[in-house]
Amino acid sequence: NAGVMQNPRHLVRRRGQEARLRCSPMKGHSHVYWYRQLPEEGLKFMVYLQKENIIDESGMPKERFSAEFPKEGPSILRIQQVVRGDSAAYFCASSPEDNSPLHFGNGTRLTVT
Amino acid sequence: GNSVTQMEGPVTLSEEAFLTINCTYTATGYPSLFWYVQYPGEGLQLLLKATKADDKGSNKGFEATYRKETTSFHLEKGSVQVSDSAVYFCVLSGNTPLVFGKGTRLSVIA
Repeated sequence: NAGVMQNPRHLVRRRGQEARLRCSPMKGHSHVYWYRQLPEEGLKFMVYLQKENIIDESGMPKERFSAEFPKEGPSILRIQQVVRGDSAAYFCASSPEDNSPLHFGNGTRLTVT
Repeated sequence: GNSVTQMEGPVTLSEEAFLTINCTYTATGYPSLFWYVQYPGEGLQLLLKATKADDKGSNKGFEATYRKETTSFHLEKGSVQVSDSAVYFCVLSGNTPLVFGKGTRLSVIA
């Protein structure tokens, strides 16, 4: 049973470009969470999704950031018009149900130049 | 709202030393508590958990007891190894998405 798969592992974008981060949850998991980790800091919650639904996006910046978890395919975190402050590690986690322990992917490290 | 406060690092210990990483929480209701570990360049892994007061979670020689009276969930290990070097996160799960502490970096030297 493969774990949570994130790709790409590293992503470099110039200011103003778009970044797309993908996450395939563990088999049988229908809950997906995205977190952002800045250097030397803890994880900050961004968004919680179930299939085709955004359950909680209270941690998402109001502009430029969006997330989806379609019926088929991976969850996507999309950042439009990236800025240097978006440089961080973005982690996806999945669980089979609410309040279960989360299983994390290895993250996507975004660098904005 | 729910919050977690854990001791700041970095913590540097010699091999076989005793480890304590303090964690206290604020929460409404009856949350579950977790410790996650992040090894260099990797994602987070669940280390141990406790779901109710007085539960003791344990794994790989690490232990933590859920103490409701002191709202604490301190992580302990009797004898650390170099391979334990990582960042440790205290985490709370209630009626909101998981709340993470800022993490404590542990370095164990031979």
